Amino acid sequence: NAGVMQNPRHLVRRRGQEARLRCSPMKGHSHVYWYRQLPEEGLKFMVYLQKENIIDESGMPKERFSAEFPKEGPSILRIQQVVRGDSAAYFCASSEQGADGYTFGSGTRLTVV
Amino acid sequence: RKEVEQDPGPFNVPEGATVAFNCTYSNSASQSFFWYRQDCRKEPKLLMSVYSSGNEDGRFTAQLNRASQYISLLIRDSKLSDSATYLCVAPHSGYSTLTFGKGTMLLVSP
Repeated sequence: NAGVMQNPRHLVRRRGQEARLRCSPMKGHSHVYWYRQLPEEGLKFMVYLQKENIIDESGMPKERFSAEFPKEGPSILRIQQVVRGDSAAYFCASSEQGADGYTFGSGTRLTVV
Repeated sequence: RKEVEQDPGPFNVPEGATVAFNCTYSNSASQSFFWYRQDCRKEPKLLMSVYSSGNEDGRFTAQLNRASQYISLLIRDSKLSDSATYLCVAPHSGYSTLTFGKGTMLLVSP
């Protein structure tokens, strides 16, 4: 079992570019969660998805950020027109059901220059 | 009051020491909690779940105090490998999402 796979591990973008972060959940897991960790801060919930549905996006910034989890393929977190403040570690987690079985991926470290 | 609050530390202890961390939470309706461990620049990993009756796993003991709305983590016989940041976690809305504290850093020295 390969675990939760995130790629890329590191991503550098210039201000104004787009960033696409990918997450493949563990086999058998249909719940995907995205969290962001800013430097010296705790993890902040962003969005919770199941296949083809956004269940809770209460933590997503209102503009420039979007997420999807299509029927086929990985979940994608998309950040348009990145700014320096978007620099952070973005972690994806998956579970079979609920929060008890959360498994995190290794994260994508986004640096905006 | 922040949803989940922890002393950031660092806690510096020698090998073999016993160390305890506390964490307070604001949502009195929360039923279960978690402690995660995060090593530097790595992903969080579940250490233990905390239910009403508490939980013990080897050298680690977690307790829940609903009246005072805090949970604790006790580590006995500290090892060098216990050095990490310990994250206190409470359910967010609807249980499936989680609210993380900023973490307490533990440094165990020889």
